[in-house]
Amino acid sequence: SQQGEEDPQALSIQEGENATMNCSYKTSINNLQWYRQNSGRGLVHLILIRSNEREKHSGRLRVTLDTSKKSSSLLITASRAADTASYFCATLTGGGNKLTFGTGTQLKVEL
Amino acid sequence: DAGVIQSPRHEVTEMGQEVTLRCKPISGHDYLFWYRQTMMRGLELLIYFNNNVPIDDSGMPEDRFSAKMPNASFSTLKIQPSEPRDSAVYFCASSLGLAGQETQYFGPGTRLLVL
Repeated sequence: SQQGEEDPQALSIQEGENATMNCSYKTSINNLQWYRQNSGRGLVHLILIRSNEREKHSGRLRVTLDTSKKSSSLLITASRAADTASYFCATLTGGGNKLTFGTGTQLKVEL
Repeated sequence: DAGVIQSPRHEVTEMGQEVTLRCKPISGHDYLFWYRQTMMRGLELLIYFNNNVPIDDSGMPEDRFSAKMPNASFSTLKIQPSEPRDSAVYFCASSLGLAGQETQYFGPGTRLLVL
């Protein structure tokens, strides 16, 4: 099964609303990263949060991490149509150099 | 910088044929990663290189898959012979350093269809 699983699988909102996506994982992590993938394109790194951090902001993005619950959330405020994409969480475990990606949330922002 | 470059962008081939995917990482990046994305299995790491040396190939599905990095600016992923279940989008990514410290930059991907 996936190390990271996003919830919901799909989300449809109106422009201007906030979008919240959640990620749950199974094993202890060093850090957790969020990526965006536009249709037919590669992934783009959004933000990284380390295991000793609880919250991080970047522009309209806010990420939280709860290591006790093994979960993270990505909040996009004041969404725009251009935010329409799939969003993936990725975890780095152990001392290796391998990111394990979740199943993704498909976000659709309608005008 | 042009970013990570992959070719071809699309490949359609018949079962049993050899397929070669190509990647040019961002100049100066020491790490190169090959991923495969399918609806069923999501995004999976196949192999990664550090300074042109393969470090971890545990994600390579079977012996039909091989990857090389003859120099710092070029890598190939070869499938021989190809099978329909290899149909997927293959991404190459590069980074300056370790996954926990540096961002991975992804190429646009190669969409492979094996008939």
